[in-house]
Amino acid sequence: TQLLEQSPQFLSIQEGENLTVYCNSSSVFSSLQWYRQEPGEGPVLLVTVVTGGEVKKLKRLTFQFGDARKDSSLHITAAQPGDTGLYLCATHPEAGGSYIPTFGRGTSLIVHP
Amino acid sequence: DTEVTQTPKHLVMGMTNKKSLKCEQHMGHRAMYWYKQKAKKPPELMFVYSYEKLSINESVPSRFSPECPNSSLLNLHLHALQPEDSALYLCASSQVLREDQPQHFGDGTRLSIL
Repeated sequence: TQLLEQSPQFLSIQEGENLTVYCNSSSVFSSLQWYRQEPGEGPVLLVTVVTGGEVKKLKRLTFQFGDARKDSSLHITAAQPGDTGLYLCATHPEAGGSYIPTFGRGTSLIVHP
Repeated sequence: DTEVTQTPKHLVMGMTNKKSLKCEQHMGHRAMYWYKQKAKKPPELMFVYSYEKLSINESVPSRFSPECPNSSLLNLHLHALQPEDSALYLCASSQVLREDQPQHFGDGTRLSIL
C-alpha cells in the first residue's frame, strides 16, 4: 500500500489546457513537498505546504493542502510544453525514531505544442 | 545548475567491476541521501546519513556500500552489480533529517551494467 496515492499516473495534453494532479493519503502530515523532474535531471523542489487549507501560487501553478492535511493538489493553468516532466509529491513520515523520505508514484506530464 | 554535484554523470561497468559514485554539497546540510530511480518511476530510497552516521538502510543489497567521509561528501561504492541495477542514481541533501525539510537533488549518475 502506497502511503501517498498520486493520480493520474500519466497525462498527455495540448498546450493551453488546464490540469490537476492529486496526492492523497489516509495519514496526516505536518508538511508535504511537490517536486518536478525534467528528463536527464534530478527533482527540483516547487513548493512546501505546511498549513491545513493553505494555497500557494507559483506563476501558473497553484498548490493546495487539504484542511485535514491528508491530501494535496497541484493545478496548472494554461499548460506549456516547458511544463513537461515528472511531478512528485513527497513527505517524511516518522518511523522508528527517524524520518523516512517517501514519494508518491509520480505523474508523468507531456504537454504537446 | 544544482548545488548538489554528482560524478560521474554516466557510468558503464561490467558485473565484475568495482566503481564509486560521488556526491558533494557545500550548503552545510547534515542529512544526505542516496536514491535509485528507474524511468518514469519515483526515486526509491536506498540510504540516509544524518550527521555523517548511517541512519537508514532500506534493505539494500550489500553490493552497494555507502560511505560518508565528512559532512560535504557522500560516496556509493559498487561491486558485482547485476543488470537490473542499471538506473539513475540520485544524491540529495537537506539541512537536517526532519519531516519538514525539503531535499536538494543532484542531477544523478546514469549507471549501465553490461
